[in-house]
Amino acid sequence: NAGVTQTPKFRVLKTGQSMTLLCAQDMNHEYMYWYRQDPGMGLRLIHYSVGEGTTAKGEVPDGYNVSRLKKQNFLLGLESAAPSQTSVYFCASRVSGNSGANVLTFGAGSRLTVL
Amino acid sequence: GESVGLHLPTLSVQEGDNSIINCAYSNSASDYFIWYKQESGKGPQFIIDIRSNMDKRQGQRVTVLLNKTVKHLSLQIAATQPGDSAVYFCAEIPNAGNNRKLIWGLGTSLAVNP
Repeated sequence: NAGVTQTPKFRVLKTGQSMTLLCAQDMNHEYMYWYRQDPGMGLRLIHYSVGEGTTAKGEVPDGYNVSRLKKQNFLLGLESAAPSQTSVYFCASRVSGNSGANVLTFGAGSRLTVL
Repeated sequence: GESVGLHLPTLSVQEGDNSIINCAYSNSASDYFIWYKQESGKGPQFIIDIRSNMDKRQGQRVTVLLNKTVKHLSLQIAATQPGDSAVYFCAEIPNAGNNRKLIWGLGTSLAVNP
């Protein structure tokens, strides 16, 4: 089982460039999330989706856009990359509902450096 | 605002000893707590969870204790092994909303000395 797969694993961008991070899950999960992880700041939620065709803002959404056109995929886009977006990005997914469904499955992360 | 914090940012233990990682939370409305382990270069991995109506839950070599009176959560690892070296995160889930977003702690780094 692949679980949650993120591509690419590493990327270096110049300021102002755009790129898309792809997250794919094969567990038929309804909910998907994009987090960024920075030293000393833990995991911060960027955007999330509770189902195909729906997205919502997390706590740090500025500078990012997302799309969930297919249930298994959740894309994170940077339209104009900034050095402040240098980070490790994690995608996660889980089943819907509140009962015993709070466990997130994470991908291995995508390390993005913006010069 | 509400937050989840950690008492110790780093913890160093000898192989074979027991480890205790602590976490303080401030949202009394949270009804679910989870511990994750993150090894270097990997994503967080679920370890164990506990509901607010429980005060203890045991897994394989791990035990989570919840003290709602003082809003304290701890993760105990028995007979700590080198493979336990990682950053451990606690997370809480406020009892509100359908999307059940987690509130994450900042993490505690556990180093196991051989």
